[in-house]
Amino acid sequence: KAGVTQTPRYLIKTRGQQVTLSCSPISGHRSVSWYQQTPGQGLQFLFEYFSETQRNKGNFPGRFSGRQFSNSRSEMNVSTLELGDSALYLCASKVSGRSTGELFFGEGSRLTVL
Amino acid sequence: SQQGEEDPQALSIQEGENATMNCSYKTSINNLQWYRQNSGRGLVHLILIRSNEREKHSGRLRVTLDTSKKSSSLLITASRAADTASYFCATDPQGAQKLVFGQGTRLTINP
Repeated sequence: KAGVTQTPRYLIKTRGQQVTLSCSPISGHRSVSWYQQTPGQGLQFLFEYFSETQRNKGNFPGRFSGRQFSNSRSEMNVSTLELGDSALYLCASKVSGRSTGELFFGEGSRLTVL
Repeated sequence: SQQGEEDPQALSIQEGENATMNCSYKTSINNLQWYRQNSGRGLVHLILIRSNEREKHSGRLRVTLDTSKKSSSLLITASRAADTASYFCATDPQGAQKLVFGQGTRLTINP
């Protein structure tokens, strides 16, 4: 089985721009979660999608949004980029279920905001 | 704020020695998981221990969980250079429906 695929792997943007990151989960996995990783804050939960619905959301401003498509692929969007948005954005998928089981992570998208 | 706090933040040992990392958390949990991250890469799941379990083994890994103290430890025996990575504990707090990660322990194995 192919793993979780994230694109692009690296990108550079300037303040005020917007960015869209993509995540393709493992085949058969219906849940996709997004995390932001920075040296200062560590791994912070952004949101989780399951069957095209946002099931859970972290404490991030409305500039951070996401969606999931019928094939379980997910995208996240950050609008009006700020310097502090520079981070590694990690996507993780799981089969789903009520309790949180093992997450399978992609390699991440490293965003640099200048 | 982070649910889990890991100790130590960094650990450097010689190849062949054992490495122990600790994780403390604040609320009741369904399970606790450990992940490894090589520099700048994605996280890899190592082991999951449920709240009603006290100890679990997987190869050279041994995880303990003490729910009364809200703490867990990860022991890596007979360390290898390839074990050099950051290790994160992640808790599944009851009712939260999400994994909450600690800040991680950076482990360096010196050959």
